[in-house]
Amino acid sequence: NAGVMQNPRHLVRRRGQEARLRCSPMKGHSHVYWYRQLPEEGLKFMVYLQKENIIDESGMPKERFSAEFPKEGPSILRIQQVVRGDSAAYFCASSPLLAGVTNEQFFGPGTRLTVL
Amino acid sequence: DQQVKQNSPSLSVQEGRISILNCDYTNSMFDYFLWYKKYPAEGPTFLISISSIKDKNEDGRFTVFLNKSAKHLSLHIVPSQPGDSAVYFCAASAQTGANNLFFGTGTRLTVIP
Repeated sequence: NAGVMQNPRHLVRRRGQEARLRCSPMKGHSHVYWYRQLPEEGLKFMVYLQKENIIDESGMPKERFSAEFPKEGPSILRIQQVVRGDSAAYFCASSPLLAGVTNEQFFGPGTRLTVL
Repeated sequence: DQQVKQNSPSLSVQEGRISILNCDYTNSMFDYFLWYKKYPAEGPTFLISISSIKDKNEDGRFTVFLNKSAKHLSLHIVPSQPGDSAVYFCAASAQTGANNLFFGTGTRLTVIP
């Protein structure tokens, strides 16, 4: 009964490189969310996806960041030309197709990105 | 623009006593509220939630109270246990169904044995 899986758990990149973060939602979940947590701050919403669709990307920086959730395979958060300010913990969450009366989202363990 | 606020960054409580964590919000469209617990190097874990049609929800040692007129909610943990030591995040959403959550900045609870 695997929960939300994220890999890698830790990622180190130099300025200007690309970072790819992967998220496999819980079995049966078709909604994926990405959040970013900067040091000493709460989680900030970035993007909400369903299979092959971006539903809400209002929290995504306009440049260098992109996300996808293909029909097959994990969701990918891609950061191009990383800068030091991108250093943060990136959390993925998933929820079932019909969330019912709750908005509960199940979170993965996060990917800690460090930009040197 | 922080729509969900947790003004106490930390709280220390003696084991067996009550822990009260507070949360305020500014967006009157929020209609669902959740509390998550987070240990270091792990993702947040759902703890308890409340809909805006209720003012109280209880689950074992955890009770959440909602005061809509004050736009305030609180989480009560009684009795507090050392294993409750973690960072607690308050979160809110604007409509039912799968939707993004707005998080507070968290309160670090330390339960002293």
